[in-house]
Amino acid sequence: DAMVIQNPRYQVTQFGKPVTLSCSQTLNHNVMYWYQQKSSQAPKLLFHYYDKDFNNEADTPDNFQSRRPNTSFCFLDIRSPGLGDAAMYLCATSRDLTGSGTDTQYFGPGTRLTVL
Amino acid sequence: GQQLNQSPQSMFIQEGEDVSMNCTSSSIFNTWLWYKQEPGEGPVLLIALYKAGELTSNGRLTAQFGITRKDSFLNISASIPSDVGIYFCAGHGSSNTGKLIFGQGTTLQVKP
Repeated sequence: DAMVIQNPRYQVTQFGKPVTLSCSQTLNHNVMYWYQQKSSQAPKLLFHYYDKDFNNEADTPDNFQSRRPNTSFCFLDIRSPGLGDAAMYLCATSRDLTGSGTDTQYFGPGTRLTVL
Repeated sequence: GQQLNQSPQSMFIQEGEDVSMNCTSSSIFNTWLWYKQEPGEGPVLLIALYKAGELTSNGRLTAQFGITRKDSFLNISASIPSDVGIYFCAGHGSSNTGKLIFGQGTTLQVKP
């Protein structure tokens, strides 16, 4: 089945130690999104790629970076994780920039990040 | 910016009861999406609505896109224990940036 895959599902890192989370999709969608979700809150958009064009949300800290080497893969890099970065990180995809037509966003299962 | 107000914040119901939750906005939305999220998992799309007045069902779930384009509701009929989770409404406003606006979520607990 076509889907959005995130690895690993659980990641433990140390304070200040760089960590990379990965997302892949078999939907061949143009847009890939990264969200941060803290307990009992709605997902918060960090940034998205439309094809190779990177779009950062204004309030996303510089500590968070992203790479999209090809259509299928997108990575979230946290350069120096702090205790406040412990959260669920969700990847999502959409065929186009949603809001037009009948497009929508599909989420992966998430990566739970723990910072020690 | 555009915001969504989702209510109720939480519900604790008996198995077999019907459930209703809604989202409202002060501005127009072009699409309404309803997601369910279980603990430790990502949100799963339940129903997508694209036209004002649209009423769509998915099994025991029914959702409607309000005629004013400023609200949407989700109904669950004859709830079962596996309905437990957090339900999020989400939508795209008129700015068409692609950014999905989320409601605060409704936590549903079902007592067998």
